[in-house]
Amino acid sequence: AQSVTQPDIHITVSEGASLELRCNYSYGATPYLFWYVQSPGQGLQLLLKYFSGDTLVQGIKGFEAEFKRSQSSFNLRKPSVHWSDAAEYFCAVGALRVSRDSTLTFGKGTMLLVSP
Amino acid sequence: NAGVTQTPKFQVLKTGQSMTLQCAQDMNHNSMYWYRQDPGMGLRLIYYSASEGTTDKGEVPNGYNVSRLNKREFSLRLESAAPSQTSVYFCASRTGGQETQYFGPGTRLLVL
Repeated sequence: AQSVTQPDIHITVSEGASLELRCNYSYGATPYLFWYVQSPGQGLQLLLKYFSGDTLVQGIKGFEAEFKRSQSSFNLRKPSVHWSDAAEYFCAVGALRVSRDSTLTFGKGTMLLVSP
Repeated sequence: NAGVTQTPKFQVLKTGQSMTLQCAQDMNHNSMYWYRQDPGMGLRLIYYSASEGTTDKGEVPNGYNVSRLNKREFSLRLESAAPSQTSVYFCASRTGGQETQYFGPGTRLLVL
């Protein structure tokens, strides 16, 4: 079965500093990988996704992520954090099922705090 | 185009009461999902439906039932609510080939 690990429960970054959120996955085949963001009291918004091809993917709000198969990682990065980026970030891996559909397995999330 | 909508937004139940959480999508998606979100646990899949008329169990199905009423609607029922079901419930739907799931705003449920 697939799994996702986000090693950092909380991260605090100064506004304007760079950001990297870590994500490691376990899956037997080529994974579909996602990063979602959740602001307080809100639903989940897709930041970016990786299915195949270029291992560096660009997303919304200036975020990017790099798929590294050798390290089973899909880390999220942003060169300069804004106060509005404070939120919880979830990494997810998609897996095909023997039945008729595919499902997502989520990590437990990383809460990003932005200090002035 | 409202995307994925959920009702109610908030609900307080007493132990043993029943209720149904409603979800609808207007994106003509085939697949729909129910998740629960608990602090420190991420999102866990309760049930999903690959198409109208089909449903499958996810990671945490106990205590829940679902109905895929038609292509648009997918409801989640708690027959006898327990305090352990206090959570935030999210519905999602999926596009065809590219696996992206789109989420609703959530239902916050408190079971006393």
